[in-house]
Amino acid sequence: AQSVAQPEDQVNVAEGNPLTVKCTYSVSGNPYLFWYVQYPNRGLQFLLKYITGDNLVKGSYGFEAEFNKSQTSFHLKKPSALVSDSALYFCAVRDPGNTGKLIFGQGTTLQVKP
Amino acid sequence: DADVTQTPRNRITKTGKRIMLECSQTKGHDRMYWYRQDPGLGLRLIYYSFDVKDINKGEISDGYSVSRQAQAKFSLSLESAIPNQTALYFCATSDSSLGQITGELFFGEGSRLTVL
Repeated sequence: AQSVAQPEDQVNVAEGNPLTVKCTYSVSGNPYLFWYVQYPNRGLQFLLKYITGDNLVKGSYGFEAEFNKSQTSFHLKKPSALVSDSALYFCAVRDPGNTGKLIFGQGTTLQVKP
Repeated sequence: DADVTQTPRNRITKTGKRIMLECSQTKGHDRMYWYRQDPGLGLRLIYYSFDVKDINKGEISDGYSVSRQAQAKFSLSLESAIPNQTALYFCATSDSSLGQITGELFFGEGSRLTVL
């Protein structure tokens, strides 16, 4: 069965420092991976996705993610964190069937302190 | 206006009551989904629909039912609410014409349900 794991419940980083939010996956076949962000009292917003091609994917708000097939990881990164990046982040993998549905990780709260 | 609109945004109800959460979209997408969010569990799929005549159960459909009244509308019902259905519920859409492999989901703002 397909699954996604986010090993950290919370990540704390100082403003201006680089940030990494970790995600590992388990899928049969080629993985199609996504990152979403949820701000308080808001829905999930799409950040970026990996379908094929370059292992480094660039997305919204200066975020990027690195696909690593050998480590089955898809970590979210940003070179310089902002306080406004503080939010709940979800990694997801597409179900390989023709459903379009996503399987989500548990979520990681990112706290950026001034 | 939001592309995916959920109503109500917040609802408090009592055990045993029937509750309906509504979702409407102006994106013209054919596929719609209902997810439930619980702290520490991420989002879990309740039901999904490919079109008005095609509705499918997700991983946690027990205690829920849905209705796809039109391509743009997808409602979630709790026939007899219980406290462990207290959660944040999200409706989402996707467009299969973009390719079911590559298309991302677009989410509403969420409906927070509390069952006492």
